[in-house]
Amino acid sequence: GAGVSQSPSNKVTEKGKDVELRCDPISGHTALYWYRQSLGQGLEFLIYFQGNSAPDKSGLPSDRFSAERTGGSVSTLTIQRTQQEDSAVYLCASSRATIKGETQYFGPGTRLLVL
Amino acid sequence: AQSVTQLGSHVSVSEGALVLLRCNYSSSVPPYLFWYVQYPNQGLQLLLKYTSAATLVKGINGFEAEFKKSETSFHLTKPSAHMSDAAEYFCAVSDTNSGGYQKVTFGTGTKLQVIP
Repeated sequence: GAGVSQSPSNKVTEKGKDVELRCDPISGHTALYWYRQSLGQGLEFLIYFQGNSAPDKSGLPSDRFSAERTGGSVSTLTIQRTQQEDSAVYLCASSRATIKGETQYFGPGTRLLVL
Repeated sequence: AQSVTQLGSHVSVSEGALVLLRCNYSSSVPPYLFWYVQYPNQGLQLLLKYTSAATLVKGINGFEAEFKKSETSFHLTKPSAHMSDAAEYFCAVSDTNSGGYQKVTFGTGTKLQVIP
């Protein structure tokens, strides 16, 4: 079956431009997570969705970051007025449920480079 | 708050040698623990997880990990390294936050190099 897909796989943008990153989770997975992976820093939690709602936005680093999920499926992470420190790999993961111990399935990530 | 510490950001082993990747956790409640592997330019893939059943957990590709409560450890091992094991490995701890959903905290990762 299809796994989690993300697009674009790579994105190069200029400082100050807006970018949109897309995540298609596994069909039927109600939970969706966004993480940021910076060099040597592990995975940083950004935001979580249960269905279309986002009960926890605590990980978003600034108000330039926003995310939405529609139809309980596709999610978009938007970064406005990008800065060089936003350069990282953005990973999306989905899981069947939100209970402790549930396996997360990751997409291949979007590599963002802000010049 | 829960956390994991992975000792050694880089580990090198010879092909055929034992692989040992260390992970120590901190959790106020019995933890659920994961090991994920990330190959270059790919997302993370589950190797194995501990969910309070058997303390020795077997995963894919010949890896296993042992949960040791007294040492707060969950080290990953493989008896004989293969070239294809070269990747980055992440230890993670799962808990339930105040909102009732799963919150997973990842370690900073260990890059495994396998020398022919």
